[in-house]
Amino acid sequence: DAMVIQNPRYQVTQFGKPVTLSCSQTLNHNVMYWYQQKSSQAPKLLFHYYDKDFNNEADTPDNFQSRRPNTSFCFLDIRSPGLGDAAMYLCATSREIDTQYFGPGTRLTVL
Amino acid sequence: DAKTTQPNSMESNEEEPVHLPCNHSTISGTDYIHWYRQLPSQGPEYVIHGLTSNVNNRMASLAIAEDRKSSTLILHRATLRDAAVYYCIRAGGGSNYKLTFGKGTLLTVNP
Repeated sequence: DAMVIQNPRYQVTQFGKPVTLSCSQTLNHNVMYWYQQKSSQAPKLLFHYYDKDFNNEADTPDNFQSRRPNTSFCFLDIRSPGLGDAAMYLCATSREIDTQYFGPGTRLTVL
Repeated sequence: DAKTTQPNSMESNEEEPVHLPCNHSTISGTDYIHWYRQLPSQGPEYVIHGLTSNVNNRMASLAIAEDRKSSTLILHRATLRDAAVYYCIRAGGGSNYKLTFGKGTLLTVNP
């Protein structure tokens, strides 16, 4: 029944070591989003794909990249993680601009 | 800028109704009011949304003021499982479809 799946649920990486988080969906939604949620803060949109079109938020650091090879999958790449990038990363999907469905998140720890 | 104002926290007793307020005094005519909630250690979950009329679904009711400058999420009988952070979000059509989360209201439900 899982609709938005995020793997892994917990990821530990070293300072400066590239890391990739993955998201997949069984809803066939055309829009996929990546949010960052730091401890005790609200989720913050990093970027999203509307179909194949990538939309970056103005304040998203260049260190964060994304790939969407097909409708079902979307990846978040952090090229050189810093200590400040430790957070929960949430993937969400929607059909057009309708209700967003969120995954359980991946908690990233940077050592 | 979340453009909504909510109390930081509220408390309720189990099986009693809960009214969660939200102010959105600068809302535009095309903005919907969305409510999402986030249970501990989970991704946000859609609750309800509306434009002008009051809305009901299996989870909650949404009462929207006639001038649309405020709204209230109503949980008719709170359960322990309703303990979460509740986010009130303005989002509309066109380029304003993205969700900008504010700080939300932390709802505590007492047994």
